[in-house]
Amino acid sequence: AQSVTQPDIHITVSEGASLELRCNYSYGATPYLFWYVQSPGQGLQLLLKYFSGDTLVQGIKGFEAEFKRSQSSFNLRKPSVHWSDAAEYFCASSYHSASKIIFGSGTRLSIRP
Amino acid sequence: GAVVSQHPSRVICKSGTSVKIECRSLDFQATTMFWYRQFPKQSLMLMATSNEGSKATYEQGVEKDKFLINHASLTLSTLTVTSAHPEDSSFYICSASPGLAGGVGDTQYFGPGTRLTVL
Repeated sequence: AQSVTQPDIHITVSEGASLELRCNYSYGATPYLFWYVQSPGQGLQLLLKYFSGDTLVQGIKGFEAEFKRSQSSFNLRKPSVHWSDAAEYFCASSYHSASKIIFGSGTRLSIRP
Repeated sequence: GAVVSQHPSRVICKSGTSVKIECRSLDFQATTMFWYRQFPKQSLMLMATSNEGSKATYEQGVEKDKFLINHASLTLSTLTVTSAHPEDSSFYICSASPGLAGGVGDTQYFGPGTRLTVL
């Protein structure tokens, strides 16, 4: 069955430091992968998505993610975080030809001043 | 960009009453809308998928008679929680897709969510 795993429940990084949020997926075919961000009490905003092609995907707000088939991973990175990046981050995947999105459990990001 | 609104943003009701939550796509026609439920500090769980003019498709384990979904127009879907109980308290988020079949290639635009508290 399709699943998405985010092993880190909570991460704290210092402002200006680099960030990497981990995501692993489980699916037999080519996955469609997404990263969303959710601020407290808010809906979700799409940061980036991968369907095919270049495995390094650029997103909004300076985020990028790299698809690694050999590791079944789609980790999110940012070279220098800002205090405004504090939020909940969800990795998600979808089937090739369906519309349902399966979300990981989320990683809460805190920024240390 | 595409905007999805939800109303109300927060609702408190007594046990046994019914609550209706609206989801609107403001600047595009949403052929497909999705309803998710999010418990505190947990992920989003898809409840149902609705296409305009047809019955919603519910995920396994979701009671269709309890969570009534209506997608009567291309810009509006409603979720009615019937005979709400405290265990129905949750954050309900809708999303909308302009795609004909809500396919993967179509971006889902998420609403801001509705916080339901049942006393």
